[in-house]
Amino acid sequence: GESVGLHLPTLSVQEGDNSIINCAYSNSASDYFIWYKQESGKGPQFIIDIRSNMDKRQGQRVTVLLNKTVKHLSLQIAATQPGDSAVYFCADHPGDDKIIFGKGTRLHILP
Amino acid sequence: GAVVSQHPSWVICKSGTSVKIECRSLDFQATTMFWYRQFPKQSLMLMATSNEGSKATYEQGVEKDKFLINHASLTLSTLTVTSAHPEDSSFYICSARFPREGGYTQYFGPGTRLTVL
Repeated sequence: GESVGLHLPTLSVQEGDNSIINCAYSNSASDYFIWYKQESGKGPQFIIDIRSNMDKRQGQRVTVLLNKTVKHLSLQIAATQPGDSAVYFCADHPGDDKIIFGKGTRLHILP
Repeated sequence: GAVVSQHPSWVICKSGTSVKIECRSLDFQATTMFWYRQFPKQSLMLMATSNEGSKATYEQGVEKDKFLINHASLTLSTLTVTSAHPEDSSFYICSARFPREGGYTQYFGPGTRLTVL
């Protein structure tokens, strides 16, 4: 079936460096994607979203890139900080209905 | 931003008992709420969609008689885990649908940790 998945389960990044978290999706009809951050023992927190009519969207220290040709999106975090340690999920949000979460990538920040 | 709360934040119960978890939208009305379950080191899995004033819609494989959902008001949805067993131990997260430009988004609650002994 259709699913949203992540390439790597764990990513370790030096503090201050940029982080890139990747995500692949399989539903070619998907038109809206969201990145969430989940800290240990907490619910998911919205980071940034992007519609399929866009290739790139920037927020504060975060950028999401969407490549519809290869069904791939990525989350870039600039100047990674200790507070960025969390699990990051990409999610497919078809229409106004349910959100389908990917597997998640745990981001470790190295001192 | 919109706030969603859950109560309790954690609960420990004996096998065979029932547990109720509340999900509230604190500063907005939510006609639709969602219930997710998350096992350790895994992703969130949608269990059901809760609609105010009507029956919940359950995802395939989720037992509706075991996970009772009641959305009695525009700000409250409850999930009751009936006759809980150790395999029901999990992190339960709710979300509430919120209008945004061009459609809707979801705000998530902080989760409820259920441990069944």
